[in-house]
Amino acid sequence: QKEVEQNSGPLSVPEGAIASLNCTYSDRGSQSFFWYRQYSGKSPELIMFIYSNGDKEDGRFTAQLNKASQYVSLLIRDSQPSDSATYLCAVTGGGNKLTFGTGTQLKVEL
Amino acid sequence: GAGVSQSPSNKVTEKGKDVELRCDPISGHTALYWYRQSLGQGLEFLIYFQGNSAPDKSGLPSDRFSAERTGGSVSTLTIQRTQQEDSAVYLCASSFGAGNSNQPQHFGDGTRLSIL
Repeated sequence: QKEVEQNSGPLSVPEGAIASLNCTYSDRGSQSFFWYRQYSGKSPELIMFIYSNGDKEDGRFTAQLNKASQYVSLLIRDSQPSDSATYLCAVTGGGNKLTFGTGTQLKVEL
Repeated sequence: GAGVSQSPSNKVTEKGKDVELRCDPISGHTALYWYRQSLGQGLEFLIYFQGNSAPDKSGLPSDRFSAERTGGSVSTLTIQRTQQEDSAVYLCASSFGAGNSNQPQHFGDGTRLSIL
């Protein structure tokens, strides 16, 4: 079983819709959860991070964490074509290294 | 400086040669990480430096890989006797440290390494 799992996609949503990206993790001791956006040929860019159960909102982005279900998600409201990218879920446990999922490709269509 | 700086941006070398990749972290960040991303693969942790503590080398794939961090700032990742499977993008990240896994890591643009 992979430590961090994401659906590879592609996830296609129309412009203006809500995109919902999901991630599950296997280590119950995981403490910190991050979402990175990666455009093709570019390096990962931090979008959101969340440490506590519940929702965290930043502009059009909302991260949701449910530690009991070992589940973290990213919602993107009013999706734009510029949001088209691969979204990487990453998790840290007691140490500092990030364990990444393989990413979900998002396509926002005009 | 602005962000994490890596050099070179691209490196093409012949199998069997040694390569050195450099990372200059964000000013003030005490933690520095190396990852690699192979084509179609997720990011894979290699090594982590925090201040003067012994580095966490648990992700290094073989003894051909080594890294050092001098003066608590710039880091060099060295791959000896390169193999074709070493071809990947090598990414460096830095964060505020002090052993706190909550600190977000910020990535450089990476070095794209191609082994012929």
